[in-house]
Amino acid sequence: GNSVTQMEGPVTLSEEAFLTINCTYTATGYPSLFWYVQYPGEGLQLLLKATKADDKGSNKGFEATYRKETTSFHLEKGSVQVSDSAVYFCALGMDSSYKLIFGSGTRLLVRP
Amino acid sequence: NAGVTQTPKFQVLKTGQSMTLQCAQDMNHNSMYWYRQDPGMGLRLIYYSASEGTTDKGEVPNGYNVSRLNKREFSLRLESAAPSQTSVYFCASSSRDSGTEAFFGQGTRLTVV
Repeated sequence: GNSVTQMEGPVTLSEEAFLTINCTYTATGYPSLFWYVQYPGEGLQLLLKATKADDKGSNKGFEATYRKETTSFHLEKGSVQVSDSAVYFCALGMDSSYKLIFGSGTRLLVRP
Repeated sequence: NAGVTQTPKFQVLKTGQSMTLQCAQDMNHNSMYWYRQDPGMGLRLIYYSASEGTTDKGEVPNGYNVSRLNKREFSLRLESAAPSQTSVYFCASSSRDSGTEAFFGQGTRLTVV
C-alpha cells in the first residue's frame, strides 16, 4: 500500500543553520506530494507541494523536489529561524483517492 | 474567511460517556475528513466523506461514527468513550480543484479519564 516515511525527530538546530528533513514514499501510480507544518497549538497548514516528478515546491524559504527515481521529497531550508520551530509532516495524495497519507512528523527546534 | 471550524477545542470525558465533535467548512469543498493525531504516529484517518451523502471508513474507524449532515458539516461521534481515544482530533476538507490539498481545522484535544 501507499506509505510515507520521515526521519525521526526532534531535530535541534541553531539559528541560520541549514535544514534537511528526509521524506521517502511508497506509492502505486503518481502521487502528489506535500509538506505540512504544525505550529504549537494549531492545526496543520500547507507549506508546499509538488504534483509531478522533478517539480520543486517552495514557500517561505523552504524547498522540496519531487524525485521519482529515489521516491523522495526532502524538505530543505538554507537558513532556519527560531520562528520555524514546529512539527513538519510529509504527505502524499492520489487523484484516484480523496485521502492524504501522512508521515509520523518531525519536530524541529531552532535555538537562538 | 473562516475555513474549517471545529468545536469544541478542548473536552474531558469520563470512560463510557458519549460526545459529538462538530466540523464545518465554508470553502464549498466536496470532501471532508476526520483524523486523529497521537505522539509519534502522525495523523491517522478515522473516517472520510468524499461527497455529500457518502461516508467511508479510514484507517482507524473502530469506536467512532460520522454524519455528513450537508455539504458544509461533518460530525464525529464517540458513543462510549475509552481512554484509548484520548487524542487530538482534526477535521479537514478538500476538493478536486485543490488537487487533493487539504485544509485543516484547529483541532480538538480530547482526554478520556
